[in-house]
Amino acid sequence: NAGVTQTPKFRVLKTGQSMTLLCAQDMNHEYMYWYRQDPGMGLRLIHYSVGEGTTAKGEVPDGYNVSRLKKQNFLLGLESAAPSQTSVYFCASSYLADNEQFFGPGTRLTVL
Amino acid sequence: AQKITQTQPGMFVQEKEAVTLDCTYDTSDPSYGLFWYKQPSSGEMIFLIYQGSYDQQNATEGRYSLNFQKARKSANLVISASQLGDSAMYFCAMIPGRDSSYKLIFGSGTRLLVRP
Repeated sequence: NAGVTQTPKFRVLKTGQSMTLLCAQDMNHEYMYWYRQDPGMGLRLIHYSVGEGTTAKGEVPDGYNVSRLKKQNFLLGLESAAPSQTSVYFCASSYLADNEQFFGPGTRLTVL
Repeated sequence: AQKITQTQPGMFVQEKEAVTLDCTYDTSDPSYGLFWYKQPSSGEMIFLIYQGSYDQQNATEGRYSLNFQKARKSANLVISASQLGDSAMYFCAMIPGRDSSYKLIFGSGTRLLVRP
């Protein structure tokens, strides 16, 4: 039982490049989330999903897209990376909307 | 506005002593959930404890307890018998309301350092 996993763990991009972050969970959770964490701040929600095939915008969605084609996977895409997207990205999942969320180990992304 | 405030950017505690980390929240929803997470230097987010707004008793999980004062809108985390491994960032968070966007609203965190 791996919980929530994220790939890659680290990535360096140049401005304008694209990439996809993969989140996978093996707990059969309906709800999945993508957050970003910037220095000195708590986490902010980028996008979330309440079930397979659904996605919705969070607090800071601009510049990101997501897809949830399979229940266990939640993908975060950056189409044209910008230095402002340098951050640590966390994926999380939960069984119900108001349950505790279980987090992945994070992806540290640097955009030059 | 829905907001979590943690006013202590950093705290020290002596090993084996108890420590209280402050958290106040702001929401107009009558139903909400409050959470505490620990983030050690390795970076992962570890769930510690949960308190529902309708829970009559304060939540406890081992050495962690949540001092929930609804009228004051505070949800302080109490760690008893501090251990060196408790040194980490601690985040208070809230899910406001049953019809919200399900997002966890985080505070800015408190860095706790346990001294031997």
